[in-house]
Amino acid sequence: EAGVTQFPSHSVIEKGQTVTLRCDPISGHDNLYWYRRVMGKEIKFLLHFVKESKQDESGMPNNRFLAERTGGTYSTLKVQPAELEDSGVYFCASSGLGGESEQYFGPGTRLTVT
Amino acid sequence: GQSLEQPSEVTAVEGAIVQINCTYQTSGFYGLSWYQQHDGGAPTFLSYNALDGLEETGRFSSFLSRSDSYGYLLLQELQMKDSASYFCAVSSGIDDKIIFGKGTRLHILP
Repeated sequence: EAGVTQFPSHSVIEKGQTVTLRCDPISGHDNLYWYRRVMGKEIKFLLHFVKESKQDESGMPNNRFLAERTGGTYSTLKVQPAELEDSGVYFCASSGLGGESEQYFGPGTRLTVT
Repeated sequence: GQSLEQPSEVTAVEGAIVQINCTYQTSGFYGLSWYQQHDGGAPTFLSYNALDGLEETGRFSSFLSRSDSYGYLLLQELQMKDSASYFCAVSSGIDDKIIFGKGTRLHILP
């Protein structure tokens, strides 16, 4: 069974540019989560999809961040325009419905905004 | 507010036992998880406690006391490959997001 995959693994962009991160969850997983770890700080929740619906987006920092999950499969997270403080590692995780204790994390996308 | 407290760093010797404590204060509680993260890698699930008591999985054990809002991860027979960051994490509800602690960096000396 393939795990959670994320693309790209690294992205270096200039302030003001746009970047789109992609996450492919484990097949059949309805729950999809985005997290972010800014250097030296804890992993913080961004938002949660159940299938194609946003269940909880309380962690989204501002309206420069837009997440979608069309069709309830893969998800994208767009940052537009990017700011320096957006640099960090963006993780995606997925789990099945029904209170699974484990979330399966992808390898992350390291975003550097210069 | 919601917070999880765990030590920032712990150092132990190869072959020894180490315990990483975690206290939490969250608006809701469904379960306490532990994740391991090696440098540059993805957080990987280690254990989960929803009820009080000790859960054992090989060399790793995790304990929870809901009344004390406290848990710990116990690593036995430490190996060099166990050098990593360990995060305690709380889920507040079924299928809910995870709230992570800041992580404990475990250094293992030969």
